[in-house]
Amino acid sequence: ETVLTQSPGTLSLSPGDRATLSCRASPSPRSNYLAWYQQKPGQAPRLLIYGASNSATGIPDRFSGSGSGTEFTLTISRLEPEDSAVYYCQHYGSSPFSFGQGTKLEIK
Amino acid sequence: EVNLVESGGGLVKPGGSLRLSCAASGFTFSSLSMNWVRQAPGKGLEWVSSISRNNDYIYYADSVKGRFTISRDNAKNSLYLQMDSLRVEDTAVYYCTRFGMFGGVIRGFDVWGQGTMVTVFS
Repeated sequence: ETVLTQSPGTLSLSPGDRATLSCRASPSPRSNYLAWYQQKPGQAPRLLIYGASNSATGIPDRFSGSGSGTEFTLTISRLEPEDSAVYYCQHYGSSPFSFGQGTKLEIK
Repeated sequence: EVNLVESGGGLVKPGGSLRLSCAASGFTFSSLSMNWVRQAPGKGLEWVSSISRNNDYIYYADSVKGRFTISRDNAKNSLYLQMDSLRVEDTAVYYCTRFGMFGGVIRGFDVWGQGTMVTVFS
């Protein structure tokens, strides 16, 4: 069973900054089947990144994913106020398809 | 437009049962695996269960194994979650989600419904 640990728990940045969110997997997910989701208050999650580095349909190019093995990163360049949300990583290569505990991103 | 709409949530006492439904539209439902994910109030996302397109594979989280049953009716484009022996800790918003697939590539949970609230109270 792959356990995902996200850091930091909370990130507070200003518009225009660059955000770097981390997701550590143990053990590594099969075939880099690692996804990132954004969830705003009162809304369902939205898929941002799949396969560790592939952008989902309609996602702005400010969002990018990288990493392999056990270390993965979601980078948001040029932060905008609407990027304020909780971000989750998830592995989907084999059951159980668990999520990380989330990183809350606050835009000052 | 691709859409998932959950229904069936509500209030129930511990030990009770509920059946959630998810109506799918805008895509070939029978060609994709489906999932349920839940979120307790103020908490993170928890994967609950998944079912393959032809029922070949069914998976459950340990927290619901033996109490919840996932099923689907491809003729009705519908996904279900039968929840029995409900506990207070099952209180959550339950989301229906699609296992995305395009060009042979699995794309994670690419479409989500808006969720249905289940409250288990004593």
